[in-house]
Amino acid sequence: GDSVTQMEGPVTLSEEAFLTINCTYTATGYPSLFWYVQYPGEGLQLLLKATKADDKGSNKGFEATYRKETTSFHLEKGSVQVSDSAVYFCALCHGSSNTGKLIFGQGTTLQVKP
Amino acid sequence: GAGVSQSPSNKVTEKGKDVELRCDPISGHTALYWYRQSLGQGLEFLIYFQGNSAPDKSGLPSDRFSAERTGGSVSTLTIQRTQQEDSAVYLCASSLHQGGGQPQHFGDGTRLSIL
Repeated sequence: GDSVTQMEGPVTLSEEAFLTINCTYTATGYPSLFWYVQYPGEGLQLLLKATKADDKGSNKGFEATYRKETTSFHLEKGSVQVSDSAVYFCALCHGSSNTGKLIFGQGTTLQVKP
Repeated sequence: GAGVSQSPSNKVTEKGKDVELRCDPISGHTALYWYRQSLGQGLEFLIYFQGNSAPDKSGLPSDRFSAERTGGSVSTLTIQRTQQEDSAVYLCASSLHQGGGQPQHFGDGTRLSIL
């Protein structure tokens, strides 16, 4: 079945460091890919998405490119801030199912220190 | 309201009791989803409603779990004869309509603890 694998955390960085959180997926067909973020004490929020191969999603300085050849959707940010500390979830939605249900990775905790 | 509203925010109950969790989606959103977030299993899909269509119940873990959506709006997730492994955060999400590219908007969840 479809699945998403994320790098294990926690990831601890200093402010202004470069961030990469790896995400790979297994799916038939052409899923849509998402990054969701959960800040401490808050609900899940959509961070960015890409719906087809080679699309780049971006928001709040974060970027991720849909790479079909490597089945990956790695999250990157050039310079992290303390306020980016959160749990990040990679997810896919299988286009052929058309229900829109999300399959999530296990989540990666990011802690940014000043 | 402006976002997805879930109640209660926290629920503590004894093993064997029934619980009901409520979700009020964003007005105008036709698709509604329930997920469960637990330490051992991560985020798991439970059930999906779209308009008046039959729900997709493929993620419900057992027949103790059921959900309904009345009038195409508010949804209730019911867990009967609760077990300790049911302890988790139950998340509700809604989207404008079904489809792979539609972003889902999540509520803050109900934290369920079974003693």
